[in-house]
Amino acid sequence: DGGITQSPKYLFRKEGQNVTLSCEQNLNHDAMYWYRQDPGQGLRLIYYSQIVNDFQKGDIAEGYSVSREKKESFPLTVTSAQKNPTAFYLCASRSGQTNTGELFFGEGSRLTVL
Amino acid sequence: DAKTTQPPSMDCAEGRAANLPCNHSTISGNEYVYWYRQIHSQGPQYIIHGLKNNETNEMASLIITEDRKSSTLILPHATLRDTAVYYCIVRGGPNYGQNFVFGPGTRLSVLP
Repeated sequence: DGGITQSPKYLFRKEGQNVTLSCEQNLNHDAMYWYRQDPGQGLRLIYYSQIVNDFQKGDIAEGYSVSREKKESFPLTVTSAQKNPTAFYLCASRSGQTNTGELFFGEGSRLTVL
Repeated sequence: DAKTTQPPSMDCAEGRAANLPCNHSTISGNEYVYWYRQIHSQGPQYIIHGLKNNETNEMASLIITEDRKSSTLILPHATLRDTAVYYCIVRGGPNYGQNFVFGPGTRLSVLP
């Protein structure tokens, strides 16, 4: 079935370590997104990519990095520069070809820094 | 910043209609209203969207006022599985460059 796969679902990290969250989609979507969600809050945009080999900063990009070498993949690295990385991370994609353009989300990755 | 205002929480009895309001008084002519919902610890799920006409699909109905300054999402027969946070989002049309901005949403509790 088509969809978005995020891994790992749960991740624990020590302070000072970088960690990479995986996001893969087989929907043939051009655009991909990373959001962060804190308890009781809405989603905040970290980075997005409209096309391969191109990406843009969102509202809270500091302390994060991404790459978009393949259409299917948009990994997010949470670096040690991110001061408060414990959060729920959501990856999404959308097609520019449909007449709805809605976002499709993965199931999320929950990162806890110990 | 989110362009919408929603009540933080609502309750609804199982089997009854759930009517979730959204205020978007600054909406511009080319902006659509989208609704998503998020069940606890899952990714948000698309529900419906519209421009100015009322819309209905297998999940819900969307009623947009004539002046487009507010809308209501209707779940006609709420079930316990509809308990979730519901997000109302205003955004330019499907091929616009605007990103989706998710505010805190409305936490709907469907009660048995």
